[in-house]
Amino acid sequence: GAGVSQSPSNKVTEKGKDVELRCDPISGHTALYWYRQRLGQGLEFLIYFQGNSAPDKSGLPSDRFSAERTGESVSTLTIQRTQQEDSAVYLCASSSQAGGTDTQYFGPGTRLTVL
Amino acid sequence: GEDVEQSLFLSVREGDSSVINCTYTDSSSTYLYWYKQEPGAGLQLLTYIFSNMDMKQDQRLTVLLNKKDKHLSLRIADTQTGDSAIYFCAEKGGSYIPTFGRGTSLIVHP
Repeated sequence: GAGVSQSPSNKVTEKGKDVELRCDPISGHTALYWYRQRLGQGLEFLIYFQGNSAPDKSGLPSDRFSAERTGESVSTLTIQRTQQEDSAVYLCASSSQAGGTDTQYFGPGTRLTVL
Repeated sequence: GEDVEQSLFLSVREGDSSVINCTYTDSSSTYLYWYKQEPGAGLQLLTYIFSNMDMKQDQRLTVLLNKKDKHLSLRIADTQTGDSAIYFCAEKGGSYIPTFGRGTSLIVHP
């Protein structure tokens, strides 16, 4: 597609369940970012993938959070044993990193609600 | 760590100009960005400016950068109701991960 897509758009789950969120970046974009946006808050960086390099996981808030990306394609963010404080919008962005501006293109996000 | 600060709310009348301000702490910032987020949507890049520029204009948008004071502003001329959204300031310097502000909610009323 033309832009970054994410699925599902909305996810409601019960506390303690695992969830998996998916991001399809723009084709050819080597960099992929995951962010968390809590209600009324800014973007909280979670994890960054660049090509085949080791990902930067420095933003992951706990070991319940993990993410994978195969090559330069789809990425999945997994949250295990979800807690109510995990409720947020999870945004994915990709960039080409070809040239200087490294502009990020965002997907519409997945709204996660943990009951 | 580095920080980006924005006021949380701005209310303007339709047809007036809006000015959204942002301050940042990273002295090595290379690129500064303005993003717009409409309800239920992701962030959309509006414009960006290199740190060696003072001003950039793009149709109704004017970005001003005061590098000495680490102050960035976004001016929207002739603000319309469709401009109502949350506006995020972001900066990127030595790190490949940009730092975002908390966003300014712009409310445009008739």
